[in-house]
Amino acid sequence: EVFLAESGGGLVKPGGSLRLSCEASGFSFQYYYMNWVRQAPGKGLEWVSSIPPSGNYIHYADSVKGRFTISRDNAKRSLYLQLNSLGAEDTAVYFCARGLGEKGHFDSWGQGTLVTVSS
Amino acid sequence: DIQMTQSPSTLSASVGDRVTITCRASQSISRWLAWYQQKPGKAPKLLIYDASSLESGVPSRFSGSGSGTEFTLAINSLQPDDFATYYCHQYTSYSQTFGPGTKVELK
Repeated sequence: EVFLAESGGGLVKPGGSLRLSCEASGFSFQYYYMNWVRQAPGKGLEWVSSIPPSGNYIHYADSVKGRFTISRDNAKRSLYLQLNSLGAEDTAVYFCARGLGEKGHFDSWGQGTLVTVSS
Repeated sequence: DIQMTQSPSTLSASVGDRVTITCRASQSISRWLAWYQQKPGKAPKLLIYDASSLESGVPSRFSGSGSGTEFTLAINSLQPDDFATYYCHQYTSYSQTFGPGTKVELK
């Protein structure tokens, strides 16, 4: 069974940084695209970033470009998201999701980790 | 970026009803569209991909149709477990986008 478990969320001050992790199990992690999607409290879903199996040709939403960095360690079956220069607008639950291809839907999701940016 | 809209934003229905949700894209996305169901405090769950393909394990009362810029999610004979928020998702471009969501609530 596919399982994705996010961690690393918490309370951070504006301008601060945080690193999220997503640990995968139950499938061959090294062959799949992986994504981060976030959801602000009471709002809809927003795609944040995607990374291919090889780790190159990474894509970001304009709202996070230059501030967030996605990465992966296939040996550790883990996905990461480095969040820098955080603002209140980044407060959200961050989900990792398995993608089916370069342009593909997301067939498995983690339970999410909450990031709160507040002074 | 491709913008996605959904209608209605809220839908009131009863158990046993047939409901439809519409998703429109600001430009053609062929059939690169998925539908997800989300319940409060939970992760989204994939229902439909490539506009009309039913994800394994999803009840057959869910169906998807459409291509280009207009898509529909239909739920036949609404069940108590189906009251949730539904999102469409286009993945034709590297900058993927979701629709704003449609909340299906009990009438």
